[in-house]
Amino acid sequence: GAVVSQHPSWVICKSGTSVKIECRSLDFQATTMFWYRQFPKQSLMLMATSNEGSKATYEQGVEKDKFLINHASLTLSTLTVTSAHPEDSSFYICSASNIDLEAFFGQGTRLTVV
Amino acid sequence: RKEVEQDPGPFNVPEGATVAFNCTYSNSASQSFFWYRQDCRKEPKLLMSVYSSGNEDGRFTAQLNRASQYISLLIRDSKLSDSATYLCVVNREGTALIFGKGTTLSVSS
Repeated sequence: GAVVSQHPSWVICKSGTSVKIECRSLDFQATTMFWYRQFPKQSLMLMATSNEGSKATYEQGVEKDKFLINHASLTLSTLTVTSAHPEDSSFYICSASNIDLEAFFGQGTRLTVV
Repeated sequence: RKEVEQDPGPFNVPEGATVAFNCTYSNSASQSFFWYRQDCRKEPKLLMSVYSSGNEDGRFTAQLNRASQYISLLIRDSKLSDSATYLCVVNREGTALIFGKGTTLSVSS
């Protein structure tokens, strides 16, 4: 099956710093990628839809200035958590769909803000 | 109302048991339905798609009732390796997938 690679798999950062997470579709082109967040014992919550070449569409309650999304190419979307705080500590995961609308997930990034 | 709602669980069953999970969705325009499995601290993995006619994959049977906006998953002859969180997933417009909260299954020997 198709492969989506997410990097880094885990990161620890200091409060106030920014963290960039990359999501790459390795063997297919993805015009749309999705970013999710999962807090402990909770479900995956859709944060935003990343559209290649245009602005991302954010879910209600997700701050677009805090979670910057860039989808500059058909194989790469990035999520930058700006001025991270401990409450941003979570599991962030991306997904991309191929031409058959089948979704593939990255391995996820576990962010810990200290 | 949440877009996707599931039985909260947890379900604790012995090996060999049959267990059923239920799910409802609110968007009547949804066209694609799935069950995903998520192991602790890992990304979700597709277990099976759900079709209107119902479909079976080995010990797993999925059913969809569009009129009631209801999805189910039946697991027969539970194995220890079935222990995981099962996520009911429905598409919104386009390919955005909306996840239910998940139902935790624990199979014991």
